[in-house]
Amino acid sequence: NAGVTQTPKFRVLKTGQSMTLLCAQDMNHEYMYWYRQDPGMGLRLIHYSVGEGTTAKGEVPDGYNVSRLKKQNFLLGLESAAPSQTSVYFCASSYGHSYEQYFGPGTRLTVT
Amino acid sequence: AQSVSQHNHHVILSEAASLELGCNYSYGGTVNLFWYVQYPGQHLQLLLKYFSGDPLVKGIKGFEAEFIKSKFSFNLRKPSVQWSDTAEYFCAVSPSGGSYIPTFGRGTSLIVHP
Repeated sequence: NAGVTQTPKFRVLKTGQSMTLLCAQDMNHEYMYWYRQDPGMGLRLIHYSVGEGTTAKGEVPDGYNVSRLKKQNFLLGLESAAPSQTSVYFCASSYGHSYEQYFGPGTRLTVT
Repeated sequence: AQSVSQHNHHVILSEAASLELGCNYSYGGTVNLFWYVQYPGQHLQLLLKYFSGDPLVKGIKGFEAEFIKSKFSFNLRKPSVQWSDTAEYFCAVSPSGGSYIPTFGRGTSLIVHP
């Protein structure tokens, strides 16, 4: 089992460019999450999904969109990147909110 | 909504020292509790968890945590740290029942000097 995978691992964008981060899990989890991690800020939830076709906003959703067209995939999109979105992005999945989360290896994004 | 507080933001220890990292939460109901570890350059992974039963929980690599309901605390402990324990540690809380999003603390950075 690969667990949770994320692509790409690194990306540099210019302000205003768009991109999509892909998260895939092979554990048949219903719940999936996108976080950003910044120094001193811990993990902040961007969006989450409780099942295929459903998404919901987290703590810091502005500037991001998500889609969950297939149960195993959760996509995070940046339509117009800003320097404030420079961060490390982690995807996670779980059986439910009450259960432990399994994290992907992260995507380091720099917006110049 | 629940909240999680990790009081120690940075901890520096020498090898063989004992470790205790504080975690307090605010929520009036039953909770599930977690500690995650993030080694440098890596992703978060589960260290230990508490759902119910014995409030003293043992995890991987010699770590343990004690749930004290009356104090709303779930402190992480290790009797003797090693250089390889250098990492960031996150406490997380999730109300039982599955209706609420889990909440993470801001993390504690632990540096262990050899």
